[in-house]
Formats: sequence, structure tokens, C-alpha cells
Amino acid sequence: SQQGEEDPQALSIQEGENATMNCSYKTSINNLQWYRQNSGRGLVHLILIRSNEREKHSGRLRVTLDTSKKSSSLLITASRAADTASYFCATDPKTSYDKVIFGPGTSLSVIP
Amino acid sequence: NAGVTQTPKFQVLKTGQSMTLQCAQDMNHEYMSWYRQDPGMGLRLIHYSVGAGITDQGEVPNGYNVSRSTTEDFPLRLLSAAPSQTSVYFCASSLRDQETQYFGPGTRLLVL
Repeated sequence: SQQGEEDPQALSIQEGENATMNCSYKTSINNLQWYRQNSGRGLVHLILIRSNEREKHSGRLRVTLDTSKKSSSLLITASRAADTASYFCATDPKTSYDKVIFGPGTSLSVIP
Repeated sequence: NAGVTQTPKFQVLKTGQSMTLQCAQDMNHEYMSWYRQDPGMGLRLIHYSVGAGITDQGEVPNGYNVSRSTTEDFPLRLLSAAPSQTSVYFCASSLRDQETQYFGPGTRLLVL
């Protein structure tokens, strides 16, 4: 079963617009991470937010976490063509036997 | 630092053949993982290791074997390749469990 699921599956926006992606998960977590993957490349870590945090910023990225709704959002402001990539959320369940679980990802296309 | 390196970048196998995917990291990370990535399914954990001499199974371990004789290296062995193992394989490492993972560039495997 999918612990983390991103929404939407695909997103296409114009350069300069903001892009918002959401991640929903099922069980309590220690932390949630967002990763970016450019086509044909490995994943690159963007930001980690812990269960006791509600919002984190990193440059043009803003991540929020709502543990009551079991959801997170990633906002990319003033998008650029170079932001075109797939974005994955990864959740770290609190249960000791579960390891980090990745969602299927959101494919973002930023049109110049 | 080279970070996480993987070899080969691309491999074609025939059904029944065996091979080893190599992974090495030079960041002195204790935690290493192997994932496979298939279209629309995100990354699925195959095996992981929390330190030299210690390995454990992930979500999809069948058909794969791992060992961790040193902190730096974490090879993944396919015992008898099957077409269902056609995928892109990523190795990742982190300083500790539940923390930021650093990914290698991936190995694209095609089993005929």
C-alpha cells in the first residue's frame, strides 16, 4: 500500500508561476522529505520537515506539514524552466519496522 | 567527495544470468539502501544496511542479495535475472536512519 501519494500526478505551468504539489500519507511519521529527480538522474534531496514542524523554507521552496490531516505541500515560487523534474515525497513511518517510503511522484513541466 | 557512485550505468542481461550492481560512497555514511524505480510506482526499497555486517530486507527483496563487508561498499546481486527485474536501480546512503539520503546516478537494467 502507498504510504505517500503525491497530487497531482502531472502539472504544467508557465515560467514565473507558482507550482504546488501535495503529499498525503496514512500512518504517523517521524519526518517527511521532498526530493527532486531530473530526467534520467538520481534523486536530489530538497527539504526535510520533522513531525513537530509546520513549515520550512529553502530558497524558493516552501514546505508545509499538517500532521492532523496527514498531508504536506511543496510550493515552488517563481518557477523556472530548470525546475522541470519529478518531485517525490518520502515519509518515515514511526513504526520501527517500516522504512522510508516514497510516493509515485509529481511530474512538473515549466514552460518557458 | 565523489558522493555515491554506481556501476555500471546500463546493463543488458538474458533471463537466468546473474550480475552484481556496485555501489560505493565516500561520506562515511552508516546507512545504505537499494531501491528500484518503475514507471508510476516511485521508488521501492529492496534491501538496506545500517552498518558494516548488517543488512535487512525492504519491501521487494525477492531475487536480490546484498552484503556489507565495508562501510563504503554495498553491492546488490541478482541471482537469476528475470524480465520482471527490468528497472532502474538506485543506491542511496545517509548518515543515520531517517535522515537525508544521497542518491547515486542509477543503473538501468534490461532483462531479456
